[in-house]
Amino acid sequence: DSGVTQTPKHLITATGQRVTLRCSPRSGDLSVYWYQQSLDQGLQFLIQYYNGEERAKGNILERFSAQQFPDLHSELNLSSLELGDSALYFCASSTLQGPTQFFGPGTRLTVL
Amino acid sequence: ELKVEQNPLFLSMQEGKNYTIYCNYSTTSDRLYWYRQDPGKSLESLFVLLSNGAVKQEGRLMASLDTKARLSTLHITAAVHDLSATYFCAVDAGNNRKLIWGLGTSLAVNP
Repeated sequence: DSGVTQTPKHLITATGQRVTLRCSPRSGDLSVYWYQQSLDQGLQFLIQYYNGEERAKGNILERFSAQQFPDLHSELNLSSLELGDSALYFCASSTLQGPTQFFGPGTRLTVL
Repeated sequence: ELKVEQNPLFLSMQEGKNYTIYCNYSTTSDRLYWYRQDPGKSLESLFVLLSNGAVKQEGRLMASLDTKARLSTLHITAAVHDLSATYFCAVDAGNNRKLIWGLGTSLAVNP
């Protein structure tokens, strides 16, 4: 158990819908990262937050957005969902010094 | 743009034998990571290599880094069934620890 928690574990929804994935980092970690893992694209970095501020952006679609709250938990919002958004979404956390990123159990999103 | 290539992508191993996975990356980086993923599970950190010539060992796994060749290797000694999993290398793109990932190497250890 890495200490990073993610909810929900599974999510099944329809095309066009909007969902929110939640992540709580390890105690003391200020950095949160979101990754998408799919069969066709592998693991892709989406976005990083540090202490509430966006620090780095990767291959994140405009339909996706994220934020980190004052209590350091983070949410990833996915809207206008398409079939191709079906994937495992991981959250990871680290200290600023790091270097290790600790991964949560993931949320499996299925878009029908 | 940083690219990370792993090979092989699939490896069928015999118990007791030694094997090596290779991870090449295309531009300079000062951090290389190895993670393990069991089917349907999360990613578990194995090693973080921070400098040229770094070598780290844990049990039957040993990782090394050659930054000049932009190459890391993960060596498996005397493979056992418990090592069956997918192994990923990831390289720090140098921008707030945005990790660029290889496609993973799927290992299966057969008796």
